[in-house]
Amino acid sequence: AQKVTQAQTEISVVEKEDVTLDCVYETRDTTYYLFWYKQPPSGELVFLIRRNSFDEQNEISGRYSWNFQKSTSSFNFTITASQVVDSAVYFCALSEAALGQKVTFGTGTKLQVIP
Amino acid sequence: DADVTQTPRNRITKTGKRIMLECSQTKGHDRMYWYRQDPGLGLRLIYYSFDVKDINKGEISDGYSVSRQAQAKFSLSLESAIPNQTALYFCATAGGSPYEQYFGPGTRLTVT
Repeated sequence: AQKVTQAQTEISVVEKEDVTLDCVYETRDTTYYLFWYKQPPSGELVFLIRRNSFDEQNEISGRYSWNFQKSTSSFNFTITASQVVDSAVYFCALSEAALGQKVTFGTGTKLQVIP
Repeated sequence: DADVTQTPRNRITKTGKRIMLECSQTKGHDRMYWYRQDPGLGLRLIYYSFDVKDINKGEISDGYSVSRQAQAKFSLSLESAIPNQTALYFCATAGGSPYEQYFGPGTRLTVT
């Protein structure tokens, strides 16, 4: 069975600080996909990134970066120089290829950036 | 216009009432999903459909039913609503590869 754990329930940082959101996953499949979604206070869910299990390269997009490590089954998300607009709930998710497109979400990490 | 729409956006209903939440998409995706979100529990899958003739139960399907009327439409029904079905409901679509899902704006349902 697939499982996603986001141990950090809530994090508060002061604006301009860096922050890392942790995601640990469990899967028996060798082919799988990992995702991060953002849910701002307005409530919509916004897709941020997808990673497949064969691509362990880290990715950077502006102030956002993702560190995928198969050895520790982790897919962590770092925001550099955080801004108030980064305040949101962030979800990590996992999809096993063997299960088609059934996606399992973590319970989310609420990030509050204090001005 | 939004690619994935949900109606209604907000609904208050009484215990025992039947209610339908509707989802429409213009993305041309074949896969559609219904999730509910509760504080501290993340998103939990209720039902999913890989095409019009394929309906599958998710992890919390009890008390819910669905209908895939067309490739673009996927409705969720609560046959007899109960207060613990009060939640935020999301519809999502996905198509082809890779597998990221695109979400509707959500429906906030309150059962009194």
